[in-house]
Amino acid sequence: SAVISQKPSRDICQRGTSLTIQCQVDSQVTMMFWYRQQPGQSLTLIATANQGSEATYESGFVIDKFPISRPNLTFSTLTVSNMSPEDSSIYLCSVGGAANAGELFFGEGSRLTVL
Amino acid sequence: KQEVTQIPAALSVPEGENLVLNCSFTDSAIYNLQWFRQDPGKGLTSLLLIQSSQREQTSGRLNASLDKSSGRSTLYIAASQPGDSATYLCAVPPFNDYKLSFGAGTTVTVRA
Repeated sequence: SAVISQKPSRDICQRGTSLTIQCQVDSQVTMMFWYRQQPGQSLTLIATANQGSEATYESGFVIDKFPISRPNLTFSTLTVSNMSPEDSSIYLCSVGGAANAGELFFGEGSRLTVL
Repeated sequence: KQEVTQIPAALSVPEGENLVLNCSFTDSAIYNLQWFRQDPGKGLTSLLLIQSSQREQTSGRLNASLDKSSGRSTLYIAASQPGDSATYLCAVPPFNDYKLSFGAGTTVTVRA
């Protein structure tokens, strides 16, 4: 299984600011995803982070709000832009793919509170 | 669009009792089914992965079954312990993809 490190683990931010979350994996992975878990809710996929190209966003999520970078096969960032209290959530990085028989692994998450 | 439902939403049992958690999904064209555990405010820990061609998977006290044709999976946890208290999530990706659709989870409390 992959070891996934996310930073920051938690943060408290002011409305209107932006925060970048980092995801570092201890091995090269094909697939990398970003999920959001709003308070009391289950997980929702934000986007697939594609190495060397633009991320693929799910319905309801846009690049201007959630820009994603993936410069190589072990690292990705998710930025939450122009934050509002509705963005208060746990953001999770997930990796996996065919090399793991389709099993996905998750980081510890980044808990974001927007005041 | 895949819909994943988990019943019950919450469960409280005395220590030592066996746990039965249910997961149903609407589209049987799945790649696999994965069960996760989530502790409060934490990330997800993968418990079991069942490939679409498999009927069940076991790991220690955990056993998960899959009936793809009826769109159901069941997670059994034998001889529950207080340390099993957590939220359990099931998730399925569509065939030939890895994007997971999650259920809302079952929150388990095991009383000492």
